Amino acid sequence: RKEVEQDPGPFNVPEGATVAFNCTYSNSASQSFFWYRQDCRKEPKLLMSVYSSGNEDGRFTAQLNRASQYISLLIRDSKLSDSATYLCVVTSGTYKYIFGTGTRLKVLA
Amino acid sequence: GAGVSQSPSNKVTEKGKDVELRCDPISGHTALYWYRQSLGQGLEFLIYFQGNSAPDKSGLPSDRFSAERTGGSVSTLTIQRTQQEDSAVYLCASSLAGGPDTQYFGPGTRLTVL
Repeated sequence: RKEVEQDPGPFNVPEGATVAFNCTYSNSASQSFFWYRQDCRKEPKLLMSVYSSGNEDGRFTAQLNRASQYISLLIRDSKLSDSATYLCVVTSGTYKYIFGTGTRLKVLA
Repeated sequence: GAGVSQSPSNKVTEKGKDVELRCDPISGHTALYWYRQSLGQGLEFLIYFQGNSAPDKSGLPSDRFSAERTGGSVSTLTIQRTQQEDSAVYLCASSLAGGPDTQYFGPGTRLTVL
């Protein structure tokens, strides 16, 4: 079993739709969680950290469920510019970051 | 402030040649990471530095790969006797002190081995 698993997609959604991604992780001792966004042929960029209480940044909401060992990302009112690959990242130990292989999102006009 | 920078941005080399890739982390970041990403694939961890030490080199694919970091800042990743399967984007990231701090990525070096 992979340490971090994501549905690769692609998720094809119309503009304005709400879309949600989940990511499961296997190490119950993981402490920190992030969502990164990666555009084609670009480096990953931090989208948001994921806090235990859940957090929201504009149209983006991230949640953590420690009991079931998953994190989620909800995007409301999708824009064409949201089209990208979304990477789930989980820390392991004091320094290691484990990356999921990403979920591709395509927002269609 | 300045982000993570990498050079060169693109490198085309012939099979069997050595290449050196450079990473300048964000000033003050003690943790530095190298990853490799092949086309359409996820990030593959290569090596982690804390200061000038590399406590985890477990991701280096073979002894043709080596890395060093000097002055707690710049890092170079060296690939000797390059092979076609080494073709990938090599990404460097830094964070303030390691996990759980946020990692910031450089733009990567796209390596093509002919």
